Amino acid sequence: SQQGEEDPQALSIQEGENATMNCSYKTSINNLQWYRQNSGRGLVHLILIRSNEREKHSGRLRVTLDTSKKSSSLLITASRAADTASYFCATDGSDAGGTSYGKLTFGQGTILTVHP
Amino acid sequence: GAGVSQTPSNKVTEKGKYVELRCDPISGHTALYWYRQSLGQGPEFLIYFQGTGAADDSGLPNDRFFAVRPEGSVSTLKIQRTERGDSAVYLCASSLMMYTEAFFGQGTRLTVV
Repeated sequence: SQQGEEDPQALSIQEGENATMNCSYKTSINNLQWYRQNSGRGLVHLILIRSNEREKHSGRLRVTLDTSKKSSSLLITASRAADTASYFCATDGSDAGGTSYGKLTFGQGTILTVHP
Repeated sequence: GAGVSQTPSNKVTEKGKYVELRCDPISGHTALYWYRQSLGQGPEFLIYFQGTGAADDSGLPNDRFFAVRPEGSVSTLKIQRTERGDSAVYLCASSLMMYTEAFFGQGTRLTVV
């Protein structure tokens, strides 16, 4: 079953604006990762945030993680037309004892369209 | 190689036929994953290997699906008696070890007619 649920399902913005996507999940996690996908083929890893981290930055990307709310957000600042893609969160879930299941569970994704 | 390689990139087969999809992971990556993605959906987990053994095959939909990784590198996903519902993009990914970022191939688009 899909654990991560992204919100919104689709987001349309103008170039230069910021884009925020949210992800909620249900079980304990070791880490949460965000991926980008163009044209329905290979996914590209963007950023990984561990369960003991609250915020992480990479270039124009900012990810936050709130394990008490079981949610994460991805912020893309100063968006560009080239950022147009689908964005997925994926969780590396763990059991109650903290042992990783060892697999990533993906959400349904957010389709981001950035208009020039 | 530089990245995860999947072959073929596209495969069209007739209902009832057998197909094999191949994945060449990044050299040295011990973990290998197979996912399936239908149009408009997120990738759905099928199976993952840690070395040569299948650490978790709970995502395989039924016994028509089978995957191997005999030498801990290349993996083959095998689908017997294909059905139209098997049509999807099959994605392979590898990672240096468990719990780290996964690198995905471009996928194999399987179409069962």
